[in-house]
Amino acid sequence: NAGVTQTPKFQVLKTGQSMTLQCAQDMNHNSMYWYRQDPGMGLRLIYYSASEGTTDKGEVPNGYNVSRLNKREFSLRLESAAPSQTSVYFCASSEGGQGRAQHFGDGTRLSIL
Amino acid sequence: GQSLEQPSEVTAVEGAIVQINCTYQTSGFYGLSWYQQHDGGAPTFLSYNALDGLEETGRFSSFLSRSDSYGYLLLQELQMKDSASYFCAARGNAGNMLTFGGGTRLMVKP
Repeated sequence: NAGVTQTPKFQVLKTGQSMTLQCAQDMNHNSMYWYRQDPGMGLRLIYYSASEGTTDKGEVPNGYNVSRLNKREFSLRLESAAPSQTSVYFCASSEGGQGRAQHFGDGTRLSIL
Repeated sequence: GQSLEQPSEVTAVEGAIVQINCTYQTSGFYGLSWYQQHDGGAPTFLSYNALDGLEETGRFSSFLSRSDSYGYLLLQELQMKDSASYFCAARGNAGNMLTFGGGTRLMVKP
């Protein structure tokens, strides 16, 4: 059972380049999330999707866009990467609200030079 | 907005009991979750408290006091594998959006 799968696992970009981080879950969860985690810090929510067809901004959405492609897939796009976006990006999913556990992927380690 | 405060680091001995505290300030509050994260790994869910009181799951227990805006994670019979970072996270609305604290790095020594 794969759970939440993120690709790629590592990526190095140059300032101004664009890229899309991919996330897919096989648990039939309704809700999906994108977080970033900077060294020694907690996770900050970038965007989330409560259900297929809906997306909403989180705490730090600037510089990012998302697409909920279908129930399984939720992608995060950096249109013009900046060094401040160097971070570890985690995708997560959950069955829905009411405090249900969020299941995380292994993360994408992104460096922007 | 929401903010959560937890100690940055805690050290304990194998076999001991340790408590990791979390205080929160939120504009809305529905519950408090705890997650464990080993170095280089993904966060994994430990517990969720929506109501005041203690929730027990094996060696781990979590407590919430809504009137004090305070919660804690209690780890008993510490093992070396418990060395990790522990994050409290507040659920601030009817959905499942979480705001995470900065994390507490637990070091278990032999």
